[in-house]
Amino acid sequence: GENVEQHPSTLSVQEGDSAVIKCTYSDSASNYFPWYKQELGKRPQLIIDIRSNVGEKKDQRIAVTLNKTAKHFSLHITETQPEDSAVYFCAASKTSYDKVIFGPGTSLSVIP
Amino acid sequence: DSGVTQTPKHLITATGQRVTLRCSPRSGDLSVYWYQQSLDQGLQFLIQYYNGEERAKGNILERFSAQQFPDLHSELNLSSLELGDSALYFCASSPRTNTYEQYFGPGTRLTVT
Repeated sequence: GENVEQHPSTLSVQEGDSAVIKCTYSDSASNYFPWYKQELGKRPQLIIDIRSNVGEKKDQRIAVTLNKTAKHFSLHITETQPEDSAVYFCAASKTSYDKVIFGPGTSLSVIP
Repeated sequence: DSGVTQTPKHLITATGQRVTLRCSPRSGDLSVYWYQQSLDQGLQFLIQYYNGEERAKGNILERFSAQQFPDLHSELNLSSLELGDSALYFCASSPRTNTYEQYFGPGTRLTVT
């Protein structure tokens, strides 16, 4: 069935360094790939998303890349700050009518 | 604040009981999604409704059911509760068709004792 894998499950970086989280998906019909950030005890919040007709998207310190051929997509956070510490979830969906399949999450810790 | 509301915030109940979780989507949003998040686990998609009709189904147990009412609020019913049903249950809503972004509510924390 549909599946989204995410690596690593935990990631620690020094403040100011970059962090990269990678995801793979199984359903080649997927064409929407959001990333959510969930701080401890809070709701998931969308931080960036990308659609299949785009290879890369950037928003300030956050960027997402997509390789449809390989069915990979990645989140890049540059100049990390302690407030970036959270669990990050990647996800994939086929259409706005379809369910969104989430990856298992990556716990990011940014060490001051 | 995403504009999605969920009640109650916390719920403690015993095994075998039945509970109802309520979700009010953002004004104008037609889609409602339910997710289960167990301790240290990811987000498990349960079910999606669009304008009152079931649209997609995930790994939702037969003991669980949901519906979306004409005013677009949704309820998730959990019956014959087991200890393993203890989790955070999120509702999310999204706008009209061709829009993917989901806005999550604050969640209902269910504890089954």
